[in-house]
Parts: sequence; structure tokens; C-alpha cells
Amino acid sequence: ETGVTQTPRHLVMGMTNKKSLKCEQHLGHNAMYWYKQSAKKPLELMFVYNFKEQTENNSVPSRFSPECPNSSHLFLHLHTLQPEDSALYLCASSQVRSGPNNQPQHFGDGTRLSIL
Amino acid sequence: GESVGLHLPTLSVQEGDNSIINCAYSNSASDYFIWYKQESGKGPQFIIDIRSNMDKRQGQRVTVLLNKTVKHLSLQIAATQPGDSAVYFCAGDSGGGADGLTFGKGTHLIIQP
Repeated sequence: ETGVTQTPRHLVMGMTNKKSLKCEQHLGHNAMYWYKQSAKKPLELMFVYNFKEQTENNSVPSRFSPECPNSSHLFLHLHTLQPEDSALYLCASSQVRSGPNNQPQHFGDGTRLSIL
Repeated sequence: GESVGLHLPTLSVQEGDNSIINCAYSNSASDYFIWYKQESGKGPQFIIDIRSNMDKRQGQRVTVLLNKTVKHLSLQIAATQPGDSAVYFCAGDSGGGADGLTFGKGTHLIIQP
């Protein structure tokens, strides 16, 4: 149990569907992140939220739309995805960095997304 | 841009031996590094971290070494066990106040009985 729960664990969708990925953290953290993990590639940072405010968008296409209603919940809304978007989507949380000190991120087990 | 990479995609060691997994980074402004372990079907699990004002940090059976001069860090696992079999990633921050991490591709550690 990592303290970061992602649902669903697996998702298959067509390119015209709309779906959402959900992440919930029970660690009392105030920063949340979305990463994409594709085969043979390093994890790629997508979005960062600090205290519910988006602080980073790593040039992610607009077909991915994040939402952070509070510090414990993070969503990734998906619309009109492409086959190359098939990947493992990982959510992480941490404490917001304190001065110069960054804090470790703790990950959920991901949502395996397949685009048909 | 910054890159973080591991030297070997696969490392095979005998059970009971020590394992050393290496990582190089390119951004000299990075001041925080983490090692993660990822088992099949799971997300990355935090192992140990180190800040740039340190050159060594020890945990339970693990040690991370940081050499800022050559921008290299390593993860040493003592007395490797079958449960250590996983993919290991190093990650570093940008050093510029942003919070996201840059990850390497990972080394798959295989434990031989």
C-alpha cells in the first residue's frame, strides 16, 4: 500500500471516447503529479499541481486535461486520444518543496491505458 | 535540456552478491536525486534520496553515492536477494525550483540463484 490510489487500473478506449483517470493520495501531501510511462522510454512528467494550482505543463497535448479539485485528488480527463497515447499513466504526490529542499515523490501503481 | 540516464539496461548478479547500479546526469544545477524500484505491475517505489550537499547516504542494505564532479550517482545494494529483482530508476530535479523529476530509462536487475 503506497498511500496513492489510482483508478481504474486498466482502461481500454476508442479514439473518440472521453474517459477520466482518478488519483487519490492519503499521505497528507500538497503536491500532485501526472507522469506517462511508455515502453522503452523514461518516465515523462506531464503536469504538476502545488496546493491545487497547476505549476507545470510539460508541453502536453490539449487532449489531456488535468483537474485538481483539492490537495488529495487529481484527475486526468482524456478526449480524442491517439494510439501513441497508449501507456502507463502514473500519479505521484509529495510535500511541496521547502525552500531549497525538494521532497520525495510517492507513486501509485498506475492506470494501463490502451487506445484502440 | 536535462537528461538522466543509466549505463546498463540489464544487470545480472548472483544472489548474495552486492549490486551496483550506475546513473549519469547532465544538468549540473540538479540538487536532488532519488532512486526508485519498480516491480512488474506496480508503480515506482521510493528507495533512497540524496541532496547535492552530500556525497553518500546509507539506508537499509542500500547506499547511494553522488559524485558531482563527474555528474554520476550509483545505487549499491548489499547481499542481493530475490526480492530485489526489479527495474531501478534514478531521477533528478531541475535545480531551478520546478518540482518535477527527470527520470533515466532504468536498469533491470536480475538475480541469479
